[in-house]
Amino acid sequence: GAVVSQHPSWVICKSGTSVKIECRSLDFQATTMFWYRQFPKQSLMLMATSNEGSKATYEQGVEKDKFLINHASLTLSTLTVTSAHPEDSSFYICSARVSPLNEQFFGPGTRLTVL
Amino acid sequence: KQEVTQIPAALSVPEGENLVLNCSFTDSAIYNLQWFRQDPGKGLTSLLLIQSSQREQTSGRLNASLDKSSGRSTLYIAASQPGDSATYLCAASDSNYQLIWGAGTKLIIKP
Repeated sequence: GAVVSQHPSWVICKSGTSVKIECRSLDFQATTMFWYRQFPKQSLMLMATSNEGSKATYEQGVEKDKFLINHASLTLSTLTVTSAHPEDSSFYICSARVSPLNEQFFGPGTRLTVL
Repeated sequence: KQEVTQIPAALSVPEGENLVLNCSFTDSAIYNLQWFRQDPGKGLTSLLLIQSSQREQTSGRLNASLDKSSGRSTLYIAASQPGDSATYLCAASDSNYQLIWGAGTKLIIKP
């Protein structure tokens, strides 16, 4: 199946700093990628839909100025958590949609801890 | 608005048993339905995808069924093994290809 990677796999940062998470499709091109957040013992929550070459579409309640998404190429989407705070600590997972079945393949996730 | 429910929230069975995980959805207008497993602290692994026109899909010891009219999907695991212990998530895809998630079933297979 299609392979999606994320980098870094975990990051610890101080409150107020910005953190960038990369999501790459390794063996296919993805015009659409998705960013999810998962809190402990909860299901995934869609944060935004990232479309190559255009602005991301954010879900209600997700601050677009805080969670900056850039999908500059068909194999790379980035999520930048700006001015991170402890409540942003979470597991961030990206996925890429693959045609023609529109199946989603997921990255391994990034564990963010904000001190 | 689509809602996806998974029952039970947790399940513990002895090794070797066959088991069924349930997933229900409120809106039958789904594009497809996917089953995933998630190991603690890890990402998601796609197990099976069923298109809206299909009734079931099989992969090894796993069989997933889809009944759109009743809004239900089941994941059948045959001859369970301790390595099957994980959280199993189902997700229904709408016409915009966005996934609507169930809360998951935490499965523990006892040796």
